[in-house]
Amino acid sequence: DTGVSQDPRHKITKRGQNVTFRCDPISEHNRLYWYRQTLGQGPEFLTYFQNEAQLEKSRLLSDRFSAERPKGSFSTLEIQRTEQGDSAMYLCASSPQTVRTGELFFGEGSRLTVL
Amino acid sequence: KQEVTQIPAALSVPEGENLVLNCSFTDSAIYNLQWFRQDPGKGLTSLLLIQSSQREQTSGRLNASLDKSSGRSTLYIAASQPGDSATYLCAAPSGAGSYQLTFGKGTKLSVIP
Repeated sequence: DTGVSQDPRHKITKRGQNVTFRCDPISEHNRLYWYRQTLGQGPEFLTYFQNEAQLEKSRLLSDRFSAERPKGSFSTLEIQRTEQGDSAMYLCASSPQTVRTGELFFGEGSRLTVL
Repeated sequence: KQEVTQIPAALSVPEGENLVLNCSFTDSAIYNLQWFRQDPGKGLTSLLLIQSSQREQTSGRLNASLDKSSGRSTLYIAASQPGDSATYLCAAPSGAGSYQLTFGKGTKLSVIP
């Protein structure tokens, strides 16, 4: 399968714990995005990487959230001291290098439930 | 700030009907617009990407149009099938020079056999 891969697919944790999600983009895509989606809403942008550089961050990305893409390939999104409001689907997407935003390809998402 | 609205929020049609889903956006200085499909509990599947220089884009039974001047896009689905049941989302760039997309809340489509 050469699509965007996310792991784990589901994570249940207790409030205050740290969680980390991993995303493996389509191999030839150098752009990688994280979005968050809650029930009944469209996805909301969190952050964007071009290669290993984090070029955009949303105000939604509080200081408890950190994202990395150390070698310009896979990316991790860590949430520290989780809160119940962090419960959501975390979606990763990638796109090829184009002049402007190209077509985005999403993974299946990582669903987080904070008890 | 870009805002994307999708109407209706939900739609139920009998199998075989043709239907139109609507998407409106407030910032017309967009360079493309993308339509996605989302099945329950799943990620998003890209359906069509329309560049600002295009008026329409077609894939199989799907046809998407873009009218930047009116801030509208439509997704036309021909001869609907039960397998088309899903939530359809449109997304537009959030602003000039931004790589982020602003999504609508989606239209939940149910095609009744």
